[in-house]
Amino acid sequence: AQSVTQLDSQVPVFEEAPVELRCNYSSSVSVYLFWYVQYPNQGLQLLLKYLSGSTLVESINGFEAEFNKSQTSFHLRKPSVHISDTAEYFCAVSGISGSARQLTFGSGTQLTVLP
Amino acid sequence: DAGVIQSPRHEVTEMGQEVTLRCKPISGHDYLFWYRQTMMRGLELLIYFNNNVPIDDSGMPEDRFSAKMPNASFSTLKIQPSEPRDSAVYFCASSLGPGRGYTFGSGTRLTVV
Repeated sequence: AQSVTQLDSQVPVFEEAPVELRCNYSSSVSVYLFWYVQYPNQGLQLLLKYLSGSTLVESINGFEAEFNKSQTSFHLRKPSVHISDTAEYFCAVSGISGSARQLTFGSGTQLTVLP
Repeated sequence: DAGVIQSPRHEVTEMGQEVTLRCKPISGHDYLFWYRQTMMRGLELLIYFNNNVPIDDSGMPEDRFSAKMPNASFSTLKIQPSEPRDSAVYFCASSLGPGRGYTFGSGTRLTVV
């Protein structure tokens, strides 16, 4: 079984400041890792994912996340945030095979960008 | 591509009534998932299907909940009888498989009074 821990439930940050949303996972099998974003009254949207290869993955809107196997982490970062980045962010993990293939989500981090 | 389509968007019902939530997955996606989201418990996987067959329903809270997928383009989640504690946002998601990510619908906000 997998589990995901998002260490911060709320992260307030000023516009144009950098931000890091932390995510740690545990799993007994090899994993895929994901970040999803949820805007108010909407479903979750895939932001980025790590499957294999380069440990640094990027999204089209400037977010990046780095897979660190030794620390079992997949932190999300952005060097300069915008008001429009205000949303809830979910880290998720799935096993790459067998019965562990469904996504397990963290509890979410509410990012609030302040003017 | 219209994405994953859920209906209704909002549902208000009285305790004891039957509620049916509907989902149309993306064409060609072999996996379909039902999640429930609440402030207290976050996102919970209720059940998922692969090729229309239920694979894991261990997240279904109790016998009042049932889910079906009669064909590749339609699934229902039924609650009978409904209770106030069932109030939540219910999401349907579909996927091509492991590692491909999920596409979520916009959700159904259920309020049981």
